[in-house]
Amino acid sequence: EAGVAQSPRYKIIEKRQSVAFWCNPISGHATLYWYQQILGQGPKLLIQFQNNGVVDDSQLPKDRFSAERLKGVDSTLKIQPAKLEDSAVYLCASSIRTSGQETQYFGPGTRLLVL
Amino acid sequence: GNSVTQMEGPVTLSEEAFLTINCTYTATGYPSLFWYVQYPGEGLQLLLKATKADDKGSNKGFEATYRKETTSFHLEKGSVQVSDSAVYFCALTLIYNQGGKLIFGQGTELSVKP
Repeated sequence: EAGVAQSPRYKIIEKRQSVAFWCNPISGHATLYWYQQILGQGPKLLIQFQNNGVVDDSQLPKDRFSAERLKGVDSTLKIQPAKLEDSAVYLCASSIRTSGQETQYFGPGTRLLVL
Repeated sequence: GNSVTQMEGPVTLSEEAFLTINCTYTATGYPSLFWYVQYPGEGLQLLLKATKADDKGSNKGFEATYRKETTSFHLEKGSVQVSDSAVYFCALTLIYNQGGKLIFGQGTELSVKP
């Protein structure tokens, strides 16, 4: 079974530029998450989708971050304009319910450096 | 609020040594608890989980017991190997059966020397 795919794996941009990340979840997984992992910290949720609807975006800086999940499959996360403090690894995860329980599966992440 | 606190790293051990990584949590309600592992250059992988008090999660020789009275979920392994070198994250979620966000600790880096 293919895992969660993310691209690009690495991105370097200058501050005030825009950037977009792409995520393809595991086939059939209804729930998709984007997490931000700053160096030396644990991941923090940015946004959670259930199919193509947003469940939780309370920690998403909406003045600069946006995300969408068209057709309830792939998802993109965009930052515009980027700030130095956005340098982090952006992790995508997907989950499915089996036997009444859910497990999140993570992609390899996109490492962003803002100069 | 809900949070997870892990022991500071890095932790450096010799091969075959005993490992303990401490994890305590604060949560409203009844969380489910997880340990995830992140090998260099890879994504997070679920190592083990426990969904209710006194449950013991285990996998690949690692164990952790959900202790409600001490709000802890310490990770242990009797004999570590060089291949166990990674960053370990303790996490909780409050809506396990319905799908919910994971709240992570800051991670503990483990380095095992031959």
